[in-house]
Amino acid sequence: DAKTTQPTSMDCAEGRAANLPCNHSTISGNEYVYWYRQIHSQGPQYIIHGLKNNETNEMASLIITEDRKSSTLILPHATLRDTAVYYCIVGKAAGNKLTFGGGTRVLVKP
Amino acid sequence: GAVVSQHPSWVICKSGTSVKIECRSLDFQATTMFWYRQFPKQSLMLMATSNEGSKATYEQGVEKDKFLINHASLTLSTLTVTSAHPEDSSFYICSARGLAPGEQYFGPGTRLTVT
Repeated sequence: DAKTTQPTSMDCAEGRAANLPCNHSTISGNEYVYWYRQIHSQGPQYIIHGLKNNETNEMASLIITEDRKSSTLILPHATLRDTAVYYCIVGKAAGNKLTFGGGTRVLVKP
Repeated sequence: GAVVSQHPSWVICKSGTSVKIECRSLDFQATTMFWYRQFPKQSLMLMATSNEGSKATYEQGVEKDKFLINHASLTLSTLTVTSAHPEDSSFYICSARGLAPGEQYFGPGTRLTVT
């Protein structure tokens, strides 16, 4: 599976949009981009996934570049409860194995 | 949404004893479940893939005789840490495969401390 690169940490202001970048330059054509987050001492939570097109759900938006080598997760109105480690994962659908990297530690500040 | 539970949420055991952790899908059937381990300040590491009615598939470097996985029903997978040692102290998390590609529903995790 393709490897991803994310910033180690970032801060964002409560109520503002949080934009989390992810590079996956070696992604192959049949690999999806998945985003999960893990709040301290809890199991990870699924956020969103996409293949080529941009996606939006009640939690976030996922913007994938046309060449699919990078993507951005957007939390439209960050709240203090969004403080977590966010993982960008690239993988094939078959088997559904997920390989977690280091993630981005997001701290939402009042 | 789909709910996955784990039991116990935390456990302390003595070195040399065995500990069983249960992972249940509460409102759906899970033919495939995954077991992860997470050390403090580190990311999740996949240990094994558990398929209902068949043997688990272990990741490289994970001792299958030490970490026994049983997926006897469509709603239950168990992980038994045999002859536990202090270095096995970790946060163990299970997940169940969802319907969408790559989607997994995670349990709340079990914190194991071996003294």
